Amino acid sequence: EVQLVESGGGLVQPGGSLRLSCAASGFTFSSYAMHWVRQAPGKGLEYVSAISSNGGSTYYANSVKGRFTISRDNSKNTLYLQMGSLRAEDMAVYYCAREGGSYYDFDYWGQGTLVTVSS
Amino acid sequence: QSALTQPASVSGSPGQSITISCTGTSSDVGGYNYVSWYQQHPGKAPKLMIYEVSNRPSGVSNRFSGSKSGNTASLTISGLQAEDEADYYCSSYTSSTLVVFGGGTKLTVL
Repeated sequence: EVQLVESGGGLVQPGGSLRLSCAASGFTFSSYAMHWVRQAPGKGLEYVSAISSNGGSTYYANSVKGRFTISRDNSKNTLYLQMGSLRAEDMAVYYCAREGGSYYDFDYWGQGTLVTVSS
Repeated sequence: QSALTQPASVSGSPGQSITISCTGTSSDVGGYNYVSWYQQHPGKAPKLMIYEVSNRPSGVSNRFSGSKSGNTASLTISGLQAEDEADYYCSSYTSSTLVVFGGGTKLTVL
């Protein structure tokens, strides 16, 4: 059974940093591109970042470029999102998602981890 | 890259059919057959319902179907059931920002 389990969310002050993790199981992690999608409270889905299966290619939405870093450790079956210079508008539930067999469709999602940015 | 345009809400009675539209541009919805639809119940993660405009993942009911015409994609749910009440999001591949989501549509089953 495919499982994605996020962790690392919590309360952080504006300007602070946080690292999210997404532990994958039930599939060959190293064969799949992975993504982060976030959802602010009461709002819609927002695409954040992507990383290729071998970690060689990454992508960031303009809203997080230069502040967030996506990475993965295929030996640990884990995806990461290092978040820095956090702002109030970064407050959201962060989901990791597996890219399915098609182009940028997300066939499995984690349960999400809440990041709260507040002083 | 602006979000794809979806109606804020739709409603229908059990057994009826409803359609949710998702309007983009020739740079996203109209330019590629990579439109997906997601269902999200309150407090839960999104679930993939349709990919590549009209394909259903294994396990998704055939009451859910997708289509596209020009820059507008549509999700149709037939034989509405109470469990279909949820938020629905479309998404599309786009060459500029990889993925763009719609603003979401709240489906109410009356």
